[in-house]
Amino acid sequence: ELKVEQNPLFLSMQEGKNYTIYCNYSTTSDRLYWYRQDPGKSLESLFVLLSNGAVKQEGRLMASLDTKARLSTLHITAAVHDLSATYFCAVESYSGAAGNKLTFGGGTRVLVKP
Amino acid sequence: EAQVTQNPRYLITVTGKKLTVTCSQNMNHEYMSWYRQDPGLGLRQIYYSMNVEVTDKGDVPEGYKVSRKEKRNFPLILESPSPNQTSLYFCASSPRLAGISKTQYFGPGTRLLVL
Repeated sequence: ELKVEQNPLFLSMQEGKNYTIYCNYSTTSDRLYWYRQDPGKSLESLFVLLSNGAVKQEGRLMASLDTKARLSTLHITAAVHDLSATYFCAVESYSGAAGNKLTFGGGTRVLVKP
Repeated sequence: EAQVTQNPRYLITVTGKKLTVTCSQNMNHEYMSWYRQDPGLGLRQIYYSMNVEVTDKGDVPEGYKVSRKEKRNFPLILESPSPNQTSLYFCASSPRLAGISKTQYFGPGTRLLVL
């Protein structure tokens, strides 16, 4: 059974500093997703990582995937208040004719303080 | 506007009273899925579907049913709701979630309280 673990669960950030969220998973997969959820809102797709070594960047966020280590990181550069949200990673696993399953990590709640 | 819609957005019901939460997408996506979100547990997949009449169980399917009779609709059915199904439910769709994967679009969520 695929397990996905994120850490830390909570991250208090200072504006202007750099931070990293880690996503570890237990079985082989080469497809990983990152999502953002604002309080009381739905989820928004941030990144899709489709192969080993994949790196995606948008603004102050950069995500990478190491399939051999079964690890993805979400790096935040020079944090700003607007990045306060909960971030989820999710790992895709092959399932069959109905498509693939998606297993989420528990989320990392990020609070950026001035 | 491309979107995933869910109805109702909020629902209070009683144990054992059958209910259906509808989900519809207007993007002609093949893949649709239901998730529940509970504090401290993240999101857990309930059911998913790659196409019409093709569905499969996610990690927490007990107590739920789904159907995919049309490509755009993927209703979630609780035949006999129980209090442990109190949760926030999200429907999502994507062009596909196998092979070349794409972004998944989420609906606004349905907050369900079962008394």
